[in-house]
Amino acid sequence: AQSVTQLGSHVSVSEGALVLLRCNYSSSVPPYLFWYVQYPNQGLQLLLKYTTGATLVKGINGFEAEFKKSETSFHLTKPSAHMSDAAEYFCAVTLQGAQKLVFGQGTRLTINP
Amino acid sequence: NAGVTQTPKFRVLKTGQSMTLLCAQDMNHEYMYWYRQDPGMGLRLIHYSVGEGTTAKGEVPDGYNVSRLKKQNFLLGLESAAPSQTSVYFCASNPGLAAYEQYFGPGTRLTVT
Repeated sequence: AQSVTQLGSHVSVSEGALVLLRCNYSSSVPPYLFWYVQYPNQGLQLLLKYTTGATLVKGINGFEAEFKKSETSFHLTKPSAHMSDAAEYFCAVTLQGAQKLVFGQGTRLTINP
Repeated sequence: NAGVTQTPKFRVLKTGQSMTLLCAQDMNHEYMYWYRQDPGMGLRLIHYSVGEGTTAKGEVPDGYNVSRLKKQNFLLGLESAAPSQTSVYFCASNPGLAAYEQYFGPGTRLTVT
């Protein structure tokens, strides 16, 4: 069965600094990987996803993630943090043909002025 | 389009009471999901449905029942609420298969005293 681990339940960065949120997955076959964002008191929305093809995936709001099979990772990055990026971020994994996602525990991102 | 809506937004129950949470989507999606979100545990799948009239158990189904009598609606029932069911409940839908983006409702905050 597939699983996903997010390293760090809480990450704090200064405005303008690099954002790096870590996600490692476990899967015996090539996975599909997702990052979702949850703003306060809202549901989740998709940031980006990797299914096949290019391993560097660009999403909304300047975020991107790179699928690294050798490291079983799908870390989320943004070159310069903005105050509006403060939210909780979830990594998720599934397999081709599967019916459901498996979510990580989430990482709360705080942006310091 | 309203997307995914959830009713009610907030509810307080006493132990042993019952209630039904309603999820409705207007995107003609085949798949619908019920999750619960608890601090530090991410989203955990309760039940899901891959089409009208079908339901399946997720990761944490005990104490919950579901029904999908109409394609656009997915109901989550608590027959005898327990304090351990205090949580935020999210409904989601997608066109079919987990590889597609899931669209989330705004959530229902349930407190069981």
